[in-house]
Amino acid sequence: GQQVMQIPQYQHVQEGEDFTTYCNSSTTLSNIQWYKQRPGGHPVFLIQLVKSGEVKKQKRLTFQFGEAKKNSSLHITATQTTDVGTYFCAALRGGKLIFGQGTTLQVKP
Amino acid sequence: SQTIHQWPATLVQPVGSPLSLECTVEGTSNPNLYWYRQAAGRGLQLLFYSVGIGQISSEVPQNLSASRPQDRQFILSSKKLLLSDSGFYLCAWSVREETQYFGPGTRLLVL
Repeated sequence: GQQVMQIPQYQHVQEGEDFTTYCNSSTTLSNIQWYKQRPGGHPVFLIQLVKSGEVKKQKRLTFQFGEAKKNSSLHITATQTTDVGTYFCAALRGGKLIFGQGTTLQVKP
Repeated sequence: SQTIHQWPATLVQPVGSPLSLECTVEGTSNPNLYWYRQAAGRGLQLLFYSVGIGQISSEVPQNLSASRPQDRQFILSSKKLLLSDSGFYLCAWSVREETQYFGPGTRLLVL
């Protein structure tokens, strides 16, 4: 099926450590979007990547789109407690967004 | 600016009772509208989406239905709730097939 696989499912880090979540597809993606959902909240759009090999940064967050446009990653440098939440990647297919299962990040102060 | 509203915020319903969740969008015209369900600690499952008034696409067979009586109104319904219908229901809108913006969600507990 047309799935977007996201790993890991959970990640616990000490505050100040780095964090990375990965998103993979068996087929080429036209674009990839990333969302963050805080505990008890709703998903909020972070960024969209469109070009092969694209890298975008938002402060401590770095987003990459693979050269083959089949994978993407989100890297957080020096995590803070405010980074806690679930991070979803999503790929546009057939007019719909297909979401990965998400990576839930816990940060220990 | 665009805003999206959902109500109620929380709902506790007995098994077998009907359901009606409402979602409205302001500040945009002819949006794509979506209903998702999220089980506790899980990902987002797309239930329905609509590209226009009266146009509903169902993604998974289930106990729920959706309607779009007006351009910026999307309603999720059930005639008889099941225990398995419990979850966090999220409405979202987008311009065509671009970024989706989510509402605050409704937490439904079926007892």
